[in-house]
Amino acid sequence: DAGVIQSPRHEVTEMGQEVTLRCKPISGHNSLFWYRQTMMRGLELLIYFNNNVPIDDSGMPEDRFSAKMPNASFSTLKIQPSEPRDSAVYFCASSPPGEGGPIRDTQYFGPGTRLTVL
Amino acid sequence: GENVEQHPSTLSVQEGDSAVIKCTYSDSASNYFPWYKQELGKRPQLIIDIRSNVGEKKDQRIAVTLNKTAKHFSLHITETQPEDSAVYFCAAISAQGGSEKLVFGKGTKLTVNP
Repeated sequence: DAGVIQSPRHEVTEMGQEVTLRCKPISGHNSLFWYRQTMMRGLELLIYFNNNVPIDDSGMPEDRFSAKMPNASFSTLKIQPSEPRDSAVYFCASSPPGEGGPIRDTQYFGPGTRLTVL
Repeated sequence: GENVEQHPSTLSVQEGDSAVIKCTYSDSASNYFPWYKQELGKRPQLIIDIRSNVGEKKDQRIAVTLNKTAKHFSLHITETQPEDSAVYFCAAISAQGGSEKLVFGKGTKLTVNP
């Protein structure tokens, strides 16, 4: 089985440019999470979707960040305009439907996108 | 909101020794506590989790204990091996703002020396 797929794996861009990160969750999973990982702040939840609907976006840093999930098999995280402080590894994760709800099941992480904003 | 504190930030042990990582949480309503392992350059992967209706759970060389009264939980790895070297993250549920989400600790870098 293919796991969570993320693209690109690495992205280097200049400040002010638009960046789009992509994620394909595991087939059959109905919850999708976007995380950001940095040395200083650790692993932070940015937003998560359940059945394609955004449930909690309180972790989205500011209006420069937006996320969409147009269907069950695809999600994007967009940063516009990008800034050097956005440099981080961005993980997408998905979890299957379960009795405990989307948070109490195993989250399967993708390989991450390492973003560098110069 | 939920605050998850994890200690120590780094831990070095000799192969065969035990390793213990501790986490505290602030939200008394939290009832799910997973542990993730992240090897260098890799993705986090769930290794064990515990729900609040039990006090301990074991899976081979790893175990997790939970003290709901004190609001802390711990990961125990026995007979450590070099392949256990990784960063370990604890997490707890936050129920702020009407929705639930996982809040992660800052991680513990475990080094197992052969």
